Amino acid sequence: DTEVTQTPKHLVMGMTNKKSLKCEQHMGHRAMYWYKQKAKKPPELMFVYSYEKLSINESVPSRFSPECPNSSLLNLHLHALQPEDSALYLCASSQDTGGYNEQFFGPGTRLTVL
Amino acid sequence: AQSVSQHNHHVILSEAASLELGCNYSYGGTVNLFWYVQYPGQHLQLLLKYFSGDPLVKGIKGFEAEFIKSKFSFNLRKPSVQWSDTAEYFCAVITYNQGGKLIFGQGTELSVKP
Repeated sequence: DTEVTQTPKHLVMGMTNKKSLKCEQHMGHRAMYWYKQKAKKPPELMFVYSYEKLSINESVPSRFSPECPNSSLLNLHLHALQPEDSALYLCASSQDTGGYNEQFFGPGTRLTVL
Repeated sequence: AQSVSQHNHHVILSEAASLELGCNYSYGGTVNLFWYVQYPGQHLQLLLKYFSGDPLVKGIKGFEAEFIKSKFSFNLRKPSVQWSDTAEYFCAVITYNQGGKLIFGQGTELSVKP
C-alpha cells in the first residue's frame, strides 16, 4: 500500500471555527509532512515530523497546530483562520528525513475560509 | 539558500511534439532530484527521481531526465507528448542535511493541444 489518505477532501469554515485535517499512511514511514499549495504554485512546506516529533516548523502562524498521535497519523488543527489561508493542504510521508527517500503525497484537503 | 528554477512558466505543444522542460538548482553539495506531476484535480505524483549512478533516468509514462552536475541541471524530456500529459510539472531538490525539506521549483504548466 503506497497510499497517503487525507480527510476531508473539502472543508469550508468560518474565521471563528475550529476544525482539523487528518492524514494517514500505512507504509511504515517515519517522516510526515504538511504542505500548503495555492493555485498554480508549488507546495510550500509547513511542518515536518520525524519519528513522531516535530522537527521543522517553517515559521507557520500559531493558528495552525500540527499533531502526530502515532507513526501513521498526522493531524493539522485549524483555529481562527484568515481568508488568505484558503488553499490545498497536502500531507506527505517518506521513509525518514534522511534526504534520500521520495515523498509520497496525499490528494489534499481543499480548504476555503469564509 | 538552496533554490530551484524552472525556465518555462507555461508551455503549449501539439500532440506528438517533443518536450523538454528545464530545471536548474543552486546548491554545491550532494542533492537528490525529482520531477513531480500534478494532473488537473489530482494529487502530486512522482514522475522520476535521481539519487546516484546513471545520470539519464527513466520514469513513468515515457518521461526521462538527465542530470548534468556541471550545469546544476535536471531537465525533463519526452519524445512525443500526448493530450493526457497536460498537467503542472514540478522539479524538486532535497539535500542530506536539511531534515527532509523538499525544495520545489515554481512549476511549468504544460498544455498539449489534441
